[in-house]
Amino acid sequence: AQSVTQLDSQVPVFEEAPVELRCNYSSSVSVYLFWYVQYPNQGLQLLLKYLSGSTLVKGINGFEAEFNKSQTSFHLRKPSVHISDTAEYFCAVRESGGTYKYIFGTGTRLKVLA
Amino acid sequence: DGGITQSPKYLFRKEGQNVTLSCEQNLNHDAMYWYRQDPGQGLRLIYYSQIVNDFQKGDIAEGYSVSREKKESFPLTVTSAQKNPTAFYLCASGIRAADEQFFGPGTRLTVL
Repeated sequence: AQSVTQLDSQVPVFEEAPVELRCNYSSSVSVYLFWYVQYPNQGLQLLLKYLSGSTLVKGINGFEAEFNKSQTSFHLRKPSVHISDTAEYFCAVRESGGTYKYIFGTGTRLKVLA
Repeated sequence: DGGITQSPKYLFRKEGQNVTLSCEQNLNHDAMYWYRQDPGQGLRLIYYSQIVNDFQKGDIAEGYSVSREKKESFPLTVTSAQKNPTAFYLCASGIRAADEQFFGPGTRLTVL
């Protein structure tokens, strides 16, 4: 069965510092990978996705992620964070064939400090 | 503008009452989903539907019911059988198997 692990429930970081949010997954088949952001009391918004091709994926708001098949990871990075990046971030996976079912991680709350 | 709407944004109900949460999309998406979000638990799938008149149970379907009579609508009923219904409920839709999901703004349900 598929699963997604986000080991860090909270990540505090100072403004303009770099950040990495970790995501590991397990699956016996090929997967598609996603990162979403959620601001308080709102729905989720897509940051970026990996479907195939280049393992380095660039998304909105200066975020990027790298797919590492051997380590089954899809970590999210930003070289310099802003106060406005304070939000909850979710990693998600979906099998590349058949079902439309997505599996989400438990989320990482990023808090950017002034 | 295309998008997903959920209503109401806040909903209160008394214990023992059924309540229906609305989800409408005008994106012409085939697939629609309902998730429940609780603090520290991420999103858990309640039900999903890939086409009209068809839907599948997710991981936590007990105490919930859905219908998919129209492509653009996927209402969720929280029944009195759901033991802990207080949560934030998110509806989503998707166009193709490989694409991301688009989310509505959510409904916060509180049982009094």
